[in-house]
Parts: sequence; C-alpha cells; structure tokens
Amino acid sequence: AQSVTQPDIHITVSEGASLELRCNYSYGATPYLFWYVQSPGQGLQLLLKYFSGDTLVQGIKGFEAEFKRSQSSFNLRKPSVHWSDAAEYFCAVGAQSGGGADGLTFGKGTHLIIQP
Amino acid sequence: EPEVTQTPSHQVTQMGQEVILRCVPISNHLYFYWYRQILGQKVEFLVSFYNNEISEKSEIFDDQFSVERPDGSNFTLKIRSTKLEDSAMYFCASSWGVVTDTQYFGPGTRLTVL
Repeated sequence: AQSVTQPDIHITVSEGASLELRCNYSYGATPYLFWYVQSPGQGLQLLLKYFSGDTLVQGIKGFEAEFKRSQSSFNLRKPSVHWSDAAEYFCAVGAQSGGGADGLTFGKGTHLIIQP
Repeated sequence: EPEVTQTPSHQVTQMGQEVILRCVPISNHLYFYWYRQILGQKVEFLVSFYNNEISEKSEIFDDQFSVERPDGSNFTLKIRSTKLEDSAMYFCASSWGVVTDTQYFGPGTRLTVL
C-alpha cells in the first residue's frame, strides 16, 4: 500500500522568502502525485499534480514541485511567499488498482506560517 | 468556476443517532468520493462511487456507513449509528475520471458526536 510522509508539521517563513515543503512517498509503481492546499474553513484546493513527463511541474499561485524518483520525493517550492500563502499543505499520492477509483492517500500536512 | 458544495457545514448529533451528510458534486463529473479528517490527523479515504455503485472502499468504511446518489445531483454519506470517534471533518470530492483526473473537494462538513 502507498504512503506519504510530510516530515515538517509546522514551517515558519518570512514574507518574501523562499519556501520548500518536503514530501516523501512510498509506492511500488509510478506514482501519481498531488499537492493540495487548505485555507481555514475551506476545502482542499489542488496546487499541482504529476503523472509523467517533465519532473518539474508548475502549479497555481506560483508554486512548483519536482519529482525525484531516486529520492521518492515530491517537494513543493515557491521562490517568494506572500502572507496569503499561510495555510495547511497536503501532499498526496494516487493509485489505481483493478480498474476502480482508488482514493488519494494523504500525508499529515504541513502548517505554513508567514511572518511579516 | 464549478465547485463541490456540502451541507450542512456543521452537524452536531448524539451518539447512536443516524446522520446524513450531503454533497452536490460538479455536474459533469462521474466519480464521487468521501474522505474524513479527524482533528489533528491526516485526510483519509473512505469510499468512491461510480455508475451508481461503490467502486472502492477503505477498511474504515464499515457496515455503519453507506453512500447513495438519490437523484442526478446529490451524493450522500449516511452514518447509521454514530459513535464518538466518528467526530471529524467529512469531505466530498468529485472527478471526471480516475487517478489522473483532479479530484475537486468540497468545503467539508464538521460532524460532532456528543
């Protein structure tokens, strides 16, 4: 079974500074990888996803993530954070078995705090 | 932009009572999901639904849970006899296809079992 580890529970970054959120996955085949963001009181919004091809994927709100198979990682980055980026960030892996619609497996999330 | 909606936003119930959580998926989507997030824990998959039947379910989705698409727009999760440990945020999601297609999530229903 697949699993996702987000090693950082909380991260504090100054506004304007760069950001990297870590995600490691465990899955036997080629993973389908996602980053979602959850603002307080809101649902989960997709930032970006990786299925195949270019290992550097661009997402919304200036985010990007790089898939590194050798490290089983899919870290999320942003060159300059804004106060509005403060939220909970979830990495997830998808799989498909037997033709069914398997659900996503999520990490525990990283809570991003932006300092002025 | 189309979005997934969920009602109610917050439901309080007594232990042993039945609750029904409602979702309206995005209209042209074919796959529907329920997830839950117990406070402080990760989001967990419960069940997926396609073509009017359950497609996949996790070990969490036991006999006390059921899902239904009663009409062309609603998708419901029923918990027959709630327990304290069912207190969680429940998210509905929908997608056009599987795996490679984005799952769009609703804002969630917070269920509190007293």
